[in-house]
Amino acid sequence: ELKVEQNPLFLSMQEGKNYTIYCNYSTTSDRLYWYRQDPGKSLESLFVLLSNGAVKQEGRLMASLDTKARLSTLHITAAVHDLSATYFCAVDTGFLQYNNNDMRFGAGTRLTVKP
Amino acid sequence: DVKVTQSSRYLVKRTGEKVFLECVQDMDHENMFWYRQDPGLGLRLIYFSYDVKMKEKGDIPEGYSVSREKKERFSLILESASTNQTSMYLCASSFNGRTQHFGDGTRLSIL
Repeated sequence: ELKVEQNPLFLSMQEGKNYTIYCNYSTTSDRLYWYRQDPGKSLESLFVLLSNGAVKQEGRLMASLDTKARLSTLHITAAVHDLSATYFCAVDTGFLQYNNNDMRFGAGTRLTVKP
Repeated sequence: DVKVTQSSRYLVKRTGEKVFLECVQDMDHENMFWYRQDPGLGLRLIYFSYDVKMKEKGDIPEGYSVSREKKERFSLILESASTNQTSMYLCASSFNGRTQHFGDGTRLSIL
């Protein structure tokens, strides 16, 4: 059974600082997603990482994937208050027919950026 | 933009009631999913469907059933609601192998 572990689960950081969220998973997969969720809102897709060594960046967020280590990271650069949200990683199990992306989610990292 | 619409944002029901949660997507996606979200547990898959009238169990199907009579609509049914089914329920849809798009969620309370 695929297990997805995120850490930390809670992260409080000062504006302007850098930090990394980690996502480990237990079985082989070459497709990993990062989502953002604001309180009371739905999940918004941030990144899709499709191969070993994939790196994607948007604004102050950068995501990477190491399929050999079964690890993805979400790096936050010079955090700002608007980044406060819960971030989820999700791993495609690849176990379903028809390639219909059965995903398993991490528990989420609740990020609070303080002025 | 993809739109996934869940019929209710908040719902309060009583123990033993039969509860229907509805989800509609407007992008002709093959796949639709129901998750529940609980603090510290992330999202857990209840059921999914890859075509009309087709369904597969996820990780926690007990106490739930689903219906997909039309491609755009996927219903989650709590046969006899219990207090441990109080949760946030999220619906999602996707094309094969593509990103899942989520609805706004239904916060369900069972009293």
